[in-house]
Amino acid sequence: ILNVEQSPQSLHVQEGDSTNFTCSFPSSNFYALHWYRWETAKSPEALFVMTLNGDEKKKGRISATLNTKEGYSYLYIKGSQPEDSATYLCAFIGYNFNKFYFGSGTKLNVKP
Amino acid sequence: GAVVSQHPSWVICKSGTSVKIECRSLDFQATTMFWYRQFPKQSLMLMATSNEGSKATYEQGVEKDKFLINHASLTLSTLTVTSAHPEDSSFYICSARIPGRLFYEQYFGPGTRLTVT
Repeated sequence: ILNVEQSPQSLHVQEGDSTNFTCSFPSSNFYALHWYRWETAKSPEALFVMTLNGDEKKKGRISATLNTKEGYSYLYIKGSQPEDSATYLCAFIGYNFNKFYFGSGTKLNVKP
Repeated sequence: GAVVSQHPSWVICKSGTSVKIECRSLDFQATTMFWYRQFPKQSLMLMATSNEGSKATYEQGVEKDKFLINHASLTLSTLTVTSAHPEDSSFYICSARIPGRLFYEQYFGPGTRLTVT
């Protein structure tokens, strides 16, 4: 079983704060890393697909970076808003596998 | 686009009964669907991969006779928990893959909370 870890497990920030969290994954056989945003009682929503070492992707105030050599990805949220409150999941896919290995998520709570 | 629905969103059943959960891709055809289970404070764990028109592939440790998966059409996969027991209480979530996507993107349903009493 591949080990995908996310930290921190939970995070409480004030509105307007910027924040970041980490997804760690095996550095060998890397194929892609997916980030999802998951609000309670809704479907996980795809944020980014990271594929190349050094990738940086951005969607509005949310951005992500990827380091496949050391096996980590960072997700950044600039100027957090209450609507950013959700659980952020990462999922790793390696070569020769076509299934996702998920981290346990980082639960973000943004206080107004 | 790429919407997946799941029904029911929650269900309570008595020990020994069976429960069926449906997963539908609403605006695309999904040759492959996945079923995951999540226990509290743990990650989503893949239970099985469901391919339209063929038998599901189960992950190690998942009882195929207990968790029956049927993928009879390109838009519907079902998971039946047979003879449910309290230890089967969990959160079950499905996903579907759009054929041909290079990086295996999956689109998820909202999940089903199963409580077995």
